[in-house]
Amino acid sequence: AQSVTQPDIHITVSEGASLELRCNYSYGATPYLFWYVQSPGQGLQLLLKYFSGDTLVQGIKGFEAEFKRSQSSFNLRKPSVHWSDAAEYFCAVGSYSGGGADGLTFGKGTHLIIQP
Amino acid sequence: DTGVSQDPRHKITKRGQNVTFRCDPISEHNRLYWYRQTLGQGPEFLTYFQNEAQLEKSRLLSDRFSAERPKGSFSTLEIQRTEQGDSAMYLCASSFSQGVEKLFFGSGTQLSVL
Repeated sequence: AQSVTQPDIHITVSEGASLELRCNYSYGATPYLFWYVQSPGQGLQLLLKYFSGDTLVQGIKGFEAEFKRSQSSFNLRKPSVHWSDAAEYFCAVGSYSGGGADGLTFGKGTHLIIQP
Repeated sequence: DTGVSQDPRHKITKRGQNVTFRCDPISEHNRLYWYRQTLGQGPEFLTYFQNEAQLEKSRLLSDRFSAERPKGSFSTLEIQRTEQGDSAMYLCASSFSQGVEKLFFGSGTQLSVL
């Protein structure tokens, strides 16, 4: 069965500092990996996804993530955070069959706090 | 693209009552998913449809839960005889199953069972 671990429940970063959120996955085949962001009372917004090819993927809002198969990791990074980045971040792994997504398995999330 | 819409945004009910939620996916999307999210947790997969066919159901989906997508467009999720443990955010997502695609999520329905 596939699973996702986000080791950090909370992370506090100063505005303008760099950010790295950790994600480790367990999946039997080539994984499809995602990072979503969720603001309070809102649904999830896709930041970026990895399916194949270049292991460094760029996303929206200045985020990037690097797929490392040897470490089963897909960490999210941003060089300089803004106060508006404060939110809950979810890593997810997906499986596909019949030409479409079967659904996603999410981690428990990392709550990002931005200090002024 | 008007996005995935869910109704109602909030629902408060008493234990033992039945509740029904509605999800309207993005119009051209043929796959529709239901997830449940409890406080401090990531979303958990419940079920999904391709057109009107329900292709997979999680073991989380007890026999008190039923989901339908009768015409392959909107979907409803009904919970019968609600319990306090059903209190959660119920999220709907949709996608277009041609090649590799992404899920678009609605804002969810927050259920509180008193």
